[in-house]
Amino acid sequence: GAGVSQTPSNKVTEKGKYVELRCDPISGHTALYWYRQSLGQGPEFLIYFQGTGAADDSGLPNDRFFAVRPEGSVSTLKIQRTERGDSAVYLCASSPGAGNTEAFFGQGTRLTVV
Amino acid sequence: AQTVTQSQPEMSVQEAETVTLSCTYDTSESDYYLFWYKQPPSRQMILVIRQEAYKQQNATENRFSVNFQKAAKSFSLKISDSQLGDAAMYFCAYRSPYNNNDMRFGAGTRLTVKP
Repeated sequence: GAGVSQTPSNKVTEKGKYVELRCDPISGHTALYWYRQSLGQGPEFLIYFQGTGAADDSGLPNDRFFAVRPEGSVSTLKIQRTERGDSAVYLCASSPGAGNTEAFFGQGTRLTVV
Repeated sequence: AQTVTQSQPEMSVQEAETVTLSCTYDTSESDYYLFWYKQPPSRQMILVIRQEAYKQQNATENRFSVNFQKAAKSFSLKISDSQLGDAAMYFCAYRSPYNNNDMRFGAGTRLTVKP
């Protein structure tokens, strides 16, 4: 597509529920990143995919968070047993690959856990 | 791990004037990339300018320029002839070519442009 697309734009869920956030990167981009941005903060790294594999998942805060990218394109961030502290904007970015290429960001999903 | 520090939570500038946003970073790597991103209320991060650490010449993009001081680990952004549309959050970011290419961001500076 023309840009990175994230759905839904906003998601409100009850504490304890399961949510999935979707990211559709720019066509042909092999690298995909998930970030979490809390209010008033900069984006915080969660996970990085190169192709289908998670090359670095060191930013995932705990085992309730999981992400997949089964065909090397669309990625889904999955959060189990959501907590109020998970409320944030979840940003996805993609880039053509390694090196000095910039990361292109989507508009994010604002997750609110009530 | 690399850290990025933006010491100015908020800045204000008069329209048509010049403003400088500060950024410092900490790294032991010799080669890396630095970026300034703009985030308007739409939430989408937009690249403003980037700098490769091996290049001594400061990057420039129209009204935006940087002052890259590698020894001091400083990377400030200068916006000339500020426009109302420049109002946004600005984030400084560090990208390592060695560590899975992830990008580390500062906490951001909120820029207000006064008419």
